[in-house]
Amino acid sequence: GAGVSQSPSNKVTEKGKDVELRCDPISGHTALYWYRQSLGQGLEFLIYFQGNSAPDKSGLPSDRFSAERTGGSVSTLTIQRTQQEDSAVYLCASSLDGWTYNEQFFGPGTRLTVL
Amino acid sequence: GIQVEQSPPDLILQEGANSTLRCNFSDSVNNLQWFHQNPWGQLINLFYIPSGTKQNGRLSATTVATERYSLLYISSSQTTDSGVYFCAVERYGNKLVFGAGTILRVKS
Repeated sequence: GAGVSQSPSNKVTEKGKDVELRCDPISGHTALYWYRQSLGQGLEFLIYFQGNSAPDKSGLPSDRFSAERTGGSVSTLTIQRTQQEDSAVYLCASSLDGWTYNEQFFGPGTRLTVL
Repeated sequence: GIQVEQSPPDLILQEGANSTLRCNFSDSVNNLQWFHQNPWGQLINLFYIPSGTKQNGRLSATTVATERYSLLYISSSQTTDSGVYFCAVERYGNKLVFGAGTILRVKS
């Protein structure tokens, strides 16, 4: 597609439920990133995928968070047993190769509200 | 980790005015990007500028890597320039570290 797409655009869930957020990167981009934006923490890195390499999970805030990337394209971020502090906008980005030229392009985000 | 500071934190301009936004970072970087977050939350790429000067229409940016700062210039501001401007840097590992942003409001 023309840009990074994410779904759903909004998600409201109850505390303790699991949620899945989806990201479709720009076609041909091999690097994919997840960030989140919250009022208290600003914009923060969560996880990074580069091709078939093991992902960099160093930004995941707890073991309730996980992500996978299937076929080198679409990625899913899963949050288990959601807590109210997980409420935020989750942003996905992609870049061409993550090595020689790493300009990152962002999707519109998924706004997650945990009640 | 690397620290990114943006100034001013907020700015109100009259339409047509010029402004300069600043981004200071605490260590050498491989990548620096400027973004505009519009009122709908979309992050729009303005510049990919780890060093040097670039211009795009009414906007231009300069990064002085050796002195660890970058400047974003907005000339002849328009109401559509309103929003939040973020500077983000990458030191290693392809992770962008964002500043807190500058909130810009342009009044007609």
